[in-house]
Amino acid sequence: GEDVEQSLFLSVREGDSSVINCTYTDSSSTYLYWYKQEPGAGLQLLTYIFSNMDMKQDQRLTVLLNKKDKHLSLRIADTQTGDSAIYFCAERRTGRRALTFGSGTRLQVQP
Amino acid sequence: DTGVSQDPRHKITKRGQNVTFRCDPISEHNRLYWYRQTLGQGPEFLTYFQNEAQLEKSRLLSDRFSAERPKGSFSTLEIQRTEQGDSAMYLCASSLALPETLPQTYNEQFFGPGTRLTVL
Repeated sequence: GEDVEQSLFLSVREGDSSVINCTYTDSSSTYLYWYKQEPGAGLQLLTYIFSNMDMKQDQRLTVLLNKKDKHLSLRIADTQTGDSAIYFCAERRTGRRALTFGSGTRLQVQP
Repeated sequence: DTGVSQDPRHKITKRGQNVTFRCDPISEHNRLYWYRQTLGQGPEFLTYFQNEAQLEKSRLLSDRFSAERPKGSFSTLEIQRTEQGDSAMYLCASSLALPETLPQTYNEQFFGPGTRLTVL
């Protein structure tokens, strides 16, 4: 997804917070999503945010959206080894059903 | 298991052969999507159906690719004359479209485990 960019890799220690960042280019995006992909498993929707929101919190997950800068972040509090996976940011543009994904951020959680 | 299922999970073929993949969506879902994911990349949209109608196709879907959803339930994706560049994970997803008269929601797409294609 050349229109959605993410850093490739993040390493944190167990118990720390993780922050995964994403930038997108299309200002018509209506919904922005975070998906998790574990080896051998399908993509799992973690959370989403509507474009008129600035923040959304869901248990250990906090999503921040800066529409002016077209920047989205996912914060995972108290990161656990089970959170090790690839995290994808995705956008859905107005009038379209397709999702445009970033290339994913591999999160490694060190015990 | 009532999730999205895909068959086969793995396919190895020789260049020039035709392959066909199947996707069974979640039973009440009327939208079905195909994506392709290459190593180290995120999924890229190929096409989607609402019921049996194919409503959108990506420019990635060359004329060697064809997708069908004849009865609005399962879907097949066929690749003719495969090339090494077709090697990828092919992902299927499904979602439930709400009537336009209702407030639209985030329209979660549920993904299957994928079919990994290797073209030798």
